[in-house]
Amino acid sequence: QQKVQQSPESLIVPEGAMTSLNCTFSDSASQYFAWYRQHSGKAPKALMSIFSNGEKEEGRFTIHLNKASLHFSLHIRDSQPSDSALYLCAVSDQGGRALIFGTGTTVSVSP
Amino acid sequence: AQTIHQWPVAEIKAVGSPLSLGCTIKGKSSPNLYWYWQATGGTLQQLFYSITVGQVESVVQLNLSASRPKDDQFILSTEKLLLSHSGFYLCAWRLGGQNTLYFGAGTRLSVL
Repeated sequence: QQKVQQSPESLIVPEGAMTSLNCTFSDSASQYFAWYRQHSGKAPKALMSIFSNGEKEEGRFTIHLNKASLHFSLHIRDSQPSDSALYLCAVSDQGGRALIFGTGTTVSVSP
Repeated sequence: AQTIHQWPVAEIKAVGSPLSLGCTIKGKSSPNLYWYWQATGGTLQQLFYSITVGQVESVVQLNLSASRPKDDQFILSTEKLLLSHSGFYLCAWRLGGQNTLYFGAGTRLSVL
């Protein structure tokens, strides 16, 4: 069973700074790696995903994947108060039946 | 128009009482459907998934059951609620062969 852990548990970031979130997983056979964002009281929404080793950038968001290290990360450039949320990383399970979510990182961006 | 609709929005129930939560998907043919549970501020724990009508696989039961009576409907239920059932229940869908999960707005359940 895939195990997915996130660090840190919570983070306070000044507005305009870089936010960096980490996710480790236990099974390198997974094919799909994603970040979801959940604002308080709302449903999670997919932010970005990646399938192979490397880096992918979309606007202020960059995702890095290193399968050999069993690690992927999300970086948010020029963080805004609207980025304050719970961030969940997700990894596909072996059978592709669903996503296994990480433990979550709560991000607060202070104006 | 909203693709996924969950009901009810919130419930306050007594320990030992029954529960039924529902989820309807519109405009998508034969979606894969999922139930997740989330403790306050916590991670998403997958409960059940279904790839076709009448077939439901359990991941973690937590004294709950699920059914898919129609292609566009997924039901989560129990005959006897426990305090530990409190939390946020989320239904999600995705199309076969795709990876992104799309979540409903969720049902917040308080068991007292």
